[in-house]
Amino acid sequence: NAGVMQNPRHLVRRRGQEARLRCSPMKGHSHVYWYRQLPEEGLKFMVYLQKENIIDESGMPKERFSAEFPKEGPSILRIQQVVRGDSAAYFCASSGTVDNSYEQYFGPGTRLTVT
Amino acid sequence: GDSVTQMEGPVTLSEEAFLTINCTYTATGYPSLFWYVQYPGEGLQLLLKATKADDKGSNKGFEATYRKETTSFHLEKGSVQVSDSAVYFCALRDTGFQKLVFGTGTRLLVSP
Repeated sequence: NAGVMQNPRHLVRRRGQEARLRCSPMKGHSHVYWYRQLPEEGLKFMVYLQKENIIDESGMPKERFSAEFPKEGPSILRIQQVVRGDSAAYFCASSGTVDNSYEQYFGPGTRLTVT
Repeated sequence: GDSVTQMEGPVTLSEEAFLTINCTYTATGYPSLFWYVQYPGEGLQLLLKATKADDKGSNKGFEATYRKETTSFHLEKGSVQVSDSAVYFCALRDTGFQKLVFGTGTRLLVSP
């Protein structure tokens, strides 16, 4: 059973460009979470989605950031007009009813560098 | 709001030494508690968990006991190995919520 997949693993963007991060949850999982890890810090929750619905976006910055989890395809975290402070590792996790525990399984992360 | 506090690192130990990493939490409900481990360049892996007071989570020689009276979930291992070198994160998930709240992480360095 393939784990949570994220791509790209590394992404370099210039200031002002857009970044798109993709997350494919584990097979059978319908819940996706995005977390951000700034250098030398713990992970901070950003957003929780189910298919076609945003359930909790209390951790999302109000501007430039958006997330979706369409009926088909991966979840996308989109950052518009990136700034240096967006440089971080972005982790996706998924959970579901595979084992009924709602345990979150993490992907390997996308490391975004803004130059 | 909910929060998790971990001891600062790095924690530096020799192989076969005893490990304790302290973790305390603040939560409004009855949270589930977790320890995750992150190896260099990788994502987080669940190490162990406990869902109610006095539960003990254990895995790979690591263990932690959910202490409601002291709001703590300290991670312990009797004899560490070089391969245990990683960053360890304590986390909680509060009742009625799905998001995890993480501590800042504790880096463990084990030397031969």
